[in-house]
Amino acid sequence: ELKVEQNPLFLSMQEGKNYTIYCNYSTTSDRLYWYRQDPGKSLESLFVLLSNGAVKQEGRLMASLDTKARLSTLHITAAVHDLSATYFCAVDPSGYALNFGKGTSLLVTP
Amino acid sequence: GAGVSQTPSNKVTEKGKYVELRCDPISGHTALYWYRQSLGQGPEFLIYFQGTGAADDSGLPNDRFFAVRPEGSVSTLKIQRTERGDSAVYLCASSLTGVAKNIQYFGAGTRLSVL
Repeated sequence: ELKVEQNPLFLSMQEGKNYTIYCNYSTTSDRLYWYRQDPGKSLESLFVLLSNGAVKQEGRLMASLDTKARLSTLHITAAVHDLSATYFCAVDPSGYALNFGKGTSLLVTP
Repeated sequence: GAGVSQTPSNKVTEKGKYVELRCDPISGHTALYWYRQSLGQGPEFLIYFQGTGAADDSGLPNDRFFAVRPEGSVSTLKIQRTERGDSAVYLCASSLTGVAKNIQYFGAGTRLSVL
C-alpha cells in the first residue's frame, strides 16, 4: 500500500522564522506535487517537481525532491502570516491519480 | 469563470437518499478527476476520466458510487442509498491531458452531509 507521510502535521511558527516540512513516500515516483489549501477553499498548486534533485522556489517557499530517498522538503523562509494554510504533498505513480499526505497545518503568528 | 466549478457547494441529505454532484471542468481540459476529502485528511482518489470514458474507477468505495461524463466535459458523481460515512468534501479536478506532470486544477468542492 502506498504511503505518503508528512511531518509535522501541525506547525505553529513565529513570523520571520524559517522551517521545513517533510514529505516521505513509500513507492517509486519521479514526480511530486505540493498544494496549498486555505480553510474552506480548494487546493492550489504550488510546485511540480519532475526529477531527482529538482528544486523550485516561489517567494518564501522552496521545494526540493530526492527520489532516491523518496523525500521532498518544503522550506519556509522568514514566514509571514499570509503563509498560514494547510500544505499537502502528493505523488502519482500511476501517472494520473494523486496520492496525498495528510497535510501540514501551518499557523504563522506575530 | 476560468476555474473548475462544482455545484452545489453544500448538500445536506438524509440517510438512504440519492444525491448527484456536478463538476464543470476548465474548458479544453480532457482529463477529469474526482477525489473525496474527509476532515483532517488529504484528498483520496475516486475516479479518473479521459474524455468520456472512465479510465480508472478503482477508487470508488463501492457500487453505490457512480460517475459519468457523457459529452467529455461536465461530470456528475452519483451516490445511491447514502450513508453517514459518505459525509465528506467531494473535490473535482481537471487537467489539460491525462499525461503525468500535468497540473490538476481543483474546484472548491461539494460538502456532503448525510444525516
